[in-house]
Amino acid sequence: AQSVSQHNHHVILSEAASLELGCNYSYGGTVNLFWYVQYPGQHLQLLLKYFSGDPLVKGIKGFEAEFIKSKFSFNLRKPSVQWSDTAEYFCAVNDAGTYKYIFGTGTRLKVLA
Amino acid sequence: NAGVMQNPRHLVRRRGQEARLRCSPMKGHSHVYWYRQLPEEGLKFMVYLQKENIIDESGMPKERFSAEFPKEGPSILRIQQVVRGDSAAYFCASSPSSGGARETQYFGPGTRLLVL
Repeated sequence: AQSVSQHNHHVILSEAASLELGCNYSYGGTVNLFWYVQYPGQHLQLLLKYFSGDPLVKGIKGFEAEFIKSKFSFNLRKPSVQWSDTAEYFCAVNDAGTYKYIFGTGTRLKVLA
Repeated sequence: NAGVMQNPRHLVRRRGQEARLRCSPMKGHSHVYWYRQLPEEGLKFMVYLQKENIIDESGMPKERFSAEFPKEGPSILRIQQVVRGDSAAYFCASSPSSGGARETQYFGPGTRLLVL
């Protein structure tokens, strides 16, 4: 069965530090990949998505992610975080033939001012 | 342009009571998905509905859970005779057209259900 692993459950960074959140999935077929963010008290927002093409995907708010097929990974990066990036980040995948998203357990990021 | 709306945001029920969770999709969206997030777990797909039709309920528990998306009004996720294990965050998502794999799903803020 498909699964998504987010190895870092809690991350604490100072402002201006660089961020990389890991996401690995298990599925041998074609997948679509997503990163969502949930700010405190708000709904899940789509940060970026990958369907095909350039494996380096740029999203909103300065985030990017790189799809490495050989490693089954889709890590999220940001060169310099801000206090306002404090949130929970979810990686999700779906089989290219289905609408069912499979989510990771989420990573809670706290950025210290 | 309002996003996906869910209410209530927090719901407390005693064991044996019924819980009704509502989801209003984004304007123009006719596809609704419900996900459940148990403590320390990722969101898990429960059910996919279009107006007046259940398309896929493969993720729904076999008993006590039901969902509907009537022609008029919000989608409803209903849990009868709640138990403590139903305590979770329930998220609704909607998409505009075909509901296919490349259709971005837009999520609501979730309803946090606590069963005492």
